[in-house]
Amino acid sequence: AQRVTQPEKLLSVFKGAPVELKCNYSYSGSPELFWYVQYSRQRLQLLLRHISRESIKGFTADLNKGETSFHLKKPFAQEEDSAMYYCARPGPDSGGGADGLTFGKGTHLIIQP
Amino acid sequence: NAGVTQTPKFQVLKTGQSMTLQCAQDMNHNSMYWYRQDPGMGLRLIYYSASEGTTDKGEVPNGYNVSRLNKREFSLRLESAAPSQTSVYFCASTEGGTALSEQYFGPGTRLTVT
Repeated sequence: AQRVTQPEKLLSVFKGAPVELKCNYSYSGSPELFWYVQYSRQRLQLLLRHISRESIKGFTADLNKGETSFHLKKPFAQEEDSAMYYCARPGPDSGGGADGLTFGKGTHLIIQP
Repeated sequence: NAGVTQTPKFQVLKTGQSMTLQCAQDMNHNSMYWYRQDPGMGLRLIYYSASEGTTDKGEVPNGYNVSRLNKREFSLRLESAAPSQTSVYFCASTEGGTALSEQYFGPGTRLTVT
């Protein structure tokens, strides 16, 4: 079964400090991986996907196939980054892409002033 | 565009009662999903519909049924609610056809079963 592991339930850092949210996945060739974010009282939304190699709101994530990781990083945290972050990958039938996402359990990021 | 809408926002049921959660999307998406979110568990897929007329079980389908009424609407039914079904339920949709498609989520339905 496809697995996504986020080892930290809670991560608290001070404003301006670097942030790294960890995500590891079970090996299955070349995975597609995503980070979704849920701000307080807002709906879950896509933050970034590895295929795009983009930086969104200062966040980046690099796929490390050797370590089977897709950690989310930001050099200088801001208070508005406080949210729940979920790492996710497509379900087992990833060829079709229609069978939903497998999510990690999430990391609650708190940025202290 | 409203995106993905869900009704109701909140619901309290007694054990054994039934109810249907409604979901609709106005983005002409092919695929729709129902997830449940429990503390410390993340989101888990209940059922999905890859396209109009098809539905399939996800990771945690027991106790639920779904109907893909048309391309826009995908409902989730609890026939006999149990306290273990207390959760926040999210509907999502995606254009589909590729594992890279972004999923768009509704605001959620908070269900409590007593």
